[in-house]
Amino acid sequence: GAVVSQHPSWVICKSGTSVKIECRSLDFQATTMFWYRQFPKQSLMLMATSNEGSKATYEQGVEKDKFLINHASLTLSTLTVTSAHPEDSSFYICSASYPASTDTQYFGPGTRLTVL
Amino acid sequence: RKEVEQDPGPFNVPEGATVAFNCTYSNSASQSFFWYRQDCRKEPKLLMSVYSSGNEDGRFTAQLNRASQYISLLIRDSKLSDSATYLCVVTGANNLFFGTGTRLTVIP
Repeated sequence: GAVVSQHPSWVICKSGTSVKIECRSLDFQATTMFWYRQFPKQSLMLMATSNEGSKATYEQGVEKDKFLINHASLTLSTLTVTSAHPEDSSFYICSASYPASTDTQYFGPGTRLTVL
Repeated sequence: RKEVEQDPGPFNVPEGATVAFNCTYSNSASQSFFWYRQDCRKEPKLLMSVYSSGNEDGRFTAQLNRASQYISLLIRDSKLSDSATYLCVVTGANNLFFGTGTRLTVIP
């Protein structure tokens, strides 16, 4: 159990385009999902916490208008990188937790974004 | 000061060796502690939770020292498949903090 999927697994796009990444909890309902970004040889950095049916909570320094998060259902959250630029190239990972065990995070396989 | 600090390594050890990683955290109110394993270009996977009493899972032993605010992971009889980055993770009330990870390479 506790499987989280992400789609796409990798994407290459031109500067200025928008990219949408989906995160799904396949076998459980996740009231909260998290979005992380990881640059090479660095730790995961939390970008935002996404709660079903409400606005996401963004970490300091993360532009909410650039990184749009939608958590429309208990099994799906999306992250849209708007007007992506080369500096947005990174590994984006989502995670979800069981409502009854919010500490343990189950991670999606990640999406590698390369902006040319 | 960072919330969680780890020695980034790399640690290069021969097969069969015992290796230990430490991690310190800054917030004494931290609630839960974990070790995750991350393979290159993959997502982190939970390795084990860390309890005050210490816990063991096969070749892996995790310990927590709340007084000194550090967590340790001991790997005995290292296997080639243990090569990965090991992330220390600490949770607060509403946050999850990751260490930078310690890279381990087990050499044949």
